[in-house]
Amino acid sequence: AQKVTQAQTEISVVEKEDVTLDCVYETRDTTYYLFWYKQPPSGELVFLIRRNSFDEQNEISGRYSWNFQKSTSSFNFTITASQVVDSAVYFCALIRDKVIFGPGTSLSVIP
Amino acid sequence: DGGITQSPKYLFRKEGQNVTLSCEQNLNHDAMYWYRQDPGQGLRLIYYSQIVNDFQKGDIAEGYSVSREKKESFPLTVTSAQKNPTAFYLCASSKGGRGTNEKLFFGSGTQLSVL
Repeated sequence: AQKVTQAQTEISVVEKEDVTLDCVYETRDTTYYLFWYKQPPSGELVFLIRRNSFDEQNEISGRYSWNFQKSTSSFNFTITASQVVDSAVYFCALIRDKVIFGPGTSLSVIP
Repeated sequence: DGGITQSPKYLFRKEGQNVTLSCEQNLNHDAMYWYRQDPGQGLRLIYYSQIVNDFQKGDIAEGYSVSREKKESFPLTVTSAQKNPTAFYLCASSKGGRGTNEKLFFGSGTQLSVL
């Protein structure tokens, strides 16, 4: 069975703090893709990153970074020096023959 | 600008009524999807379409129907058979089909509530 777990339902941080959003996935497949999407209050999900199962290199994009570890089936997302505009719901997703979304983590960044 | 347009933003349904949610895309994508979002449950797939005049049931298709007469349009009808329709509905599209590594592009959603 394929499954994505985001154990943190809601997180609140004060602006400029670093925050890590956890994502743990389950799959028996060796080839799969992992995604992160951001859902701001406006409603639409916005693509952040895509990673295939054979590429365990960590990635950094500005204040965002991702840590992919196949050994622990995790694909965690870190925001450095958080800003109010980072307040949103963040979804981790696994794709093999279909897209499996995690339940999402609601992040509130307090000024 | 290319994108996905969903309308209306808010919709109210009376008991026993069918309602239709609109989704239009100008990204020239072949695949389109409808997701339902409930608080704390993530997104669940209702229907998807890989090509015009063809569509497949997703995980929670009961009480819903779709059509795909044009590449750009994928309307969703919530029928009276759907007993718990209150949710946020998101339409999406992708260049490749389901299961590919193509990212999804989303509309801004429709909040459906029951009167």
